[in-house]
Amino acid sequence: QVQLQESGPGLVKPAETLSLNCTVSGGPIIGYYWTWIRQPPGKGLEWIGHVYHSGITDYNPSLKSRVTISTDTSKNLFSLRLSSVTAADTAVYYCARAYDGGDYWGQGTLVTVSS
Amino acid sequence: DIQMTQSPSSLSASVGDRVTITCRASQSISTYLNWYQQKPGKAPKVLIYATSSLHSGVPSRFSGGGSGTDFTLTISSLQPEDFATYYCQQNYFTPWTFGQGTKVDIK
Repeated sequence: QVQLQESGPGLVKPAETLSLNCTVSGGPIIGYYWTWIRQPPGKGLEWIGHVYHSGITDYNPSLKSRVTISTDTSKNLFSLRLSSVTAADTAVYYCARAYDGGDYWGQGTLVTVSS
Repeated sequence: DIQMTQSPSSLSASVGDRVTITCRASQSISTYLNWYQQKPGKAPKVLIYATSSLHSGVPSRFSGGGSGTDFTLTISSLQPEDFATYYCQQNYFTPWTFGQGTKVDIK
């Protein structure tokens, strides 16, 4: 059974960089697309971007200048970096495997941007 | 970006009711349409992918249909565990986009 687990700081200061890891267990990263999705409190879902195990990426244009998604196949994880954060980036961040829609998701992690 | 519009935004229904949620894309997305269910405080779960394929373990009372720009999610007989928010998502063009959600609650 594939499982995903997000990890990283729950509080980030404005103008700093949000960094999250998603550790994949029970299956390989190789051969799949992996995605980050976020959900501001009480709001809908927003696709941030995805990465193939080889490192090929695609990002939401609304975030493209600030976002980097990467993989570490040796650790079977993928990562999200979002720079120059503001309060508008406060959200629950989910990682997911982009197969058959999104067949496996992490539980989500709340990241609050505040000084 | 492709805009995804769901209707209704919310609905009240009773156990046993047949429920249909509609999702309209701002341009054709072929059959690249997925449906998710989300309960409070939980991650979304995929119900239907590629318009009509039932994800493993999802009850057969859930079904999906459509193509091009108009899609539906139908729950044939609403069960207590189905009260949740439902989202459609297109993965035909990036940025992948979601509908605004349809909240299904108890009448």
